[in-house]
Formats: sequence, structure tokens, C-alpha cells
Amino acid sequence: EVQLVESGGGLVQPGGSLRLSCAASGFTFSSHWMHWVRQAPGKGPVWVSRINSDGSSTNYADSVKGRFTISRDNAKNTLYLQMNSLRVEDTAVYYCARRVAAAAPYYFDFWGQGTLVTVSS
Amino acid sequence: DIQMTQSPSSLSASVGDRVTITCRASQSISNYLNWYQQKPGKAPNLLISAASSLQSGVPSRFSGSGSGTDFTLTISSLQPEDFATYYCQQSYSTPWTFGQGTKVEIK
Repeated sequence: EVQLVESGGGLVQPGGSLRLSCAASGFTFSSHWMHWVRQAPGKGPVWVSRINSDGSSTNYADSVKGRFTISRDNAKNTLYLQMNSLRVEDTAVYYCARRVAAAAPYYFDFWGQGTLVTVSS
Repeated sequence: DIQMTQSPSSLSASVGDRVTITCRASQSISNYLNWYQQKPGKAPNLLISAASSLQSGVPSRFSGSGSGTDFTLTISSLQPEDFATYYCQQSYSTPWTFGQGTKVEIK
């Protein structure tokens, strides 16, 4: 059974840092591109970042570029999101999501349960 | 960035009703369009990929159509478990973008 389990969320002050983790199981993690998607309270999902299967290529939303870093450890089957210089507007539930391995058109075929990040003084 | 616009933002319907949700892209995205259902406190769940491909396990009352800039999600006969928020999402170009959502409520 495919499972994605996020952790690391919590309450942090503006300007602070957090590192989110997403533990993957039930599939060959190293074969899949992985993404982070966030959802502010009462709002729709917003794509944050993605990383290719071997970790050599990454992309970011403009809103987090230069502050967030996505990475992965294929030996540990774990995806990460290092979040620095956090802002109030980064408050959201953060989901890791698996991109389907097949050819395009691509989609998210599995999502984690999410971890809440609250940025507040 | 490609903007995705859904309509309506919300609707009220009864069990058994036919429901149609539309999604328009700000530029052509071929068939790189996916539909997700989200219930409160849960992650989005994929219903339809590539505009019209029903995912395994999704009831056949759900269907998708469209290509280019205009897309439709149809629920042929609304069931109690279908009351939720629906999002379209394009995977044609990065950043992948979502519509603002359509909340389907009980009339």
C-alpha cells in the first residue's frame, strides 16, 4: 500500500525556520518525481515545489523561491522541505504528493495527510 | 503562469441531480487537465486525469471532457458522498496551477 506521511509542522514565529519530512512507503520512491503542495485555511491548493527522481533538478513557486529548499534521500525514502524566513502568509497545510510515473499528461496520484504550519507571533 | 478559472464557485444540488462544473485555462493546455475531490480535513483525491480518464475505483457517474482551454466535470446523478469541493488542475507547465474550487452543497 502506498503511504506518504508528513511530519515537522508546527507553530513558528515570522522569520523562523522549519523542516518538513515526508516518509514514503509501499512503492519505489526513487522512481517518482515528488512535489510539495500547500493549502491555506479555506483556500484552494497551491503548488510549492518539485524534485525529480534522483534529486538533480528542482523547481519552486515564485512565492517561496530563495526561502524554501526541496530535497530527497532515496536511501531513506524521504522527501524534505526546508523552509526559512517564514512569513505569516506561509501558514497552510503542507502536503507531499507523488507524481505518476507514467508518461504525460502527469498528475498527482497519491497525497499525504498533510502537516500544518502556522507562522505567527 | 497559467490561470485556471472554475465556475461556479459553489452550487446547491439535491441527491440525484446532474451537476456540471466548468474549468477554463488562460491558454491552451491540450488535455493536461486533472480533477480532484476534497472533503474537509482530507487531502485532495484524484478523480479524473488527462481531461477524461476516470481513475480506478472512481464511480462511473463522474466524467470529464474538454481539450484546449475549456473543460467540464459532470456528475450524472449526485450521491450523498459527493458533497465536497472539486478542483481542476493543469500539468501542462510549471507551476502546476489549480482552480479556485467548486463547493457542492446539499440543497
